[in-house]
Amino acid sequence: NAGVTQTPKFQVLKTGQSMTLQCAQDMNHNSMYWYRQDPGMGLRLIYYSASEGTTDKGEVPNGYNVSRLNKREFSLRLESAAPSQTSVYFCAITLTGVGTDTQYFGPGTRLTVL
Amino acid sequence: GNSVTQMEGPVTLSEEAFLTINCTYTATGYPSLFWYVQYPGEGLQLLLKATKADDKGSNKGFEATYRKETTSFHLEKGSVQVSDSAVYFCALSDLGTSYDKVIFGPGTSLSVIP
Repeated sequence: NAGVTQTPKFQVLKTGQSMTLQCAQDMNHNSMYWYRQDPGMGLRLIYYSASEGTTDKGEVPNGYNVSRLNKREFSLRLESAAPSQTSVYFCAITLTGVGTDTQYFGPGTRLTVL
Repeated sequence: GNSVTQMEGPVTLSEEAFLTINCTYTATGYPSLFWYVQYPGEGLQLLLKATKADDKGSNKGFEATYRKETTSFHLEKGSVQVSDSAVYFCALSDLGTSYDKVIFGPGTSLSVIP
């Protein structure tokens, strides 16, 4: 997980509360991603950012917003949390867009929505 | 669309046993194939990868060969250790997108007992 940090590590929210998950990288990679991991479903892409200032939706974007203000940081915001958003959230990065590159993952944020 | 299928887990083995985790894929073109490993409480990290047919990826005693004819990328290790206990994800790069989209399988949990 070297090079990708996520905060917080754990969070408990009540339904309707909002919060922002932070991701930062020091590897100077272009592309950044937010995934959620649920039991038996692997990882599902929420949003991605191919470069600073650009973001696009992934498979499961509903209920989330993102922001990529600079090359290092990519944040994920839950405006009104719902129990269905209880999950483990991972930020990941890759260097280029050639399809062969390794994705580097952060340690994850474990979110529970009551 | 493109997809990845992995054998169901959990898998429980005794130390020094032989390991095989099956992975098959559906994809157009020639995607890169990956195995990622997730240790308890951590994010995913790349274990090995192969970028073209007949390539063999290897790392830490694990191997997998890119078989185009059977659309498979099975993970093998000759003698597992307790420290190999983790969740293993097969993945492929989706070449039909404008970004580094990676499709993950659901994961296979491995427990190695002394």
